[in-house]
Amino acid sequence: TQLLEQSPQFLSIQEGENLTVYCNSSSVFSSLQWYRQEPGEGPVLLVTVVTGGEVKKLKRLTFQFGDARKDSSLHITAAQTGDTGLYLCAGSPTSSGTYKYIFGTGTRLKVLA
Amino acid sequence: DTGVSQNPRHKITKRGQNVTFRCDPISEHNRLYWYRQTLGQGPEFLTYFQNEAQLEKSRLLSDRFSAERPKGSFSTLEIQRTEQGDSAMYLCASSRRDRAYEQYFGPGTRLTVT
Repeated sequence: TQLLEQSPQFLSIQEGENLTVYCNSSSVFSSLQWYRQEPGEGPVLLVTVVTGGEVKKLKRLTFQFGDARKDSSLHITAAQTGDTGLYLCAGSPTSSGTYKYIFGTGTRLKVLA
Repeated sequence: DTGVSQNPRHKITKRGQNVTFRCDPISEHNRLYWYRQTLGQGPEFLTYFQNEAQLEKSRLLSDRFSAERPKGSFSTLEIQRTEQGDSAMYLCASSRRDRAYEQYFGPGTRLTVT
């Protein structure tokens, strides 16, 4: 059972456009992380959100954690070709009682010049 | 801080052979994780160490897979009698005890079983 669903799966946009990527679950998470991965490389940590309703900004990227800590979103303003990559949300459900760390299905973003 | 390193970066092997991968975590990180990632998917959790203790193993980790972290520093992942379905990217990550969910990943080892 996939606990973290991301949408959309694929996104192709023009440079300068805005976009939002969603990460949804029926489980509660104590925190969620967002990563970006480029082909042939490991994921790179972008941000951690911890508190329900929290909003964090990283330059043109805005991350939000849902009030119930079951979902999160990533908004990119004025996308650039360098934003191209696979965006992954991840976390450990509070109900799991384990150290198991779950990754979302991923959103593959392509920004065209 | 040199980051997480993994060796080799690529491995091509014939079905039935054994392979071993190595991961060197960030030096002050006491937690170490192994993941497997297939094309188009997010990483799947395989196993987790806190210092030298292996605290959890996924059901994905069949009896052909074994991982060790003998001195609480580097770790090895061995796959015995490889099968074509083992072809994947094997990722290692490490984290600090007080920020356990912020994981720093290595570049991965790409395994191709022919």
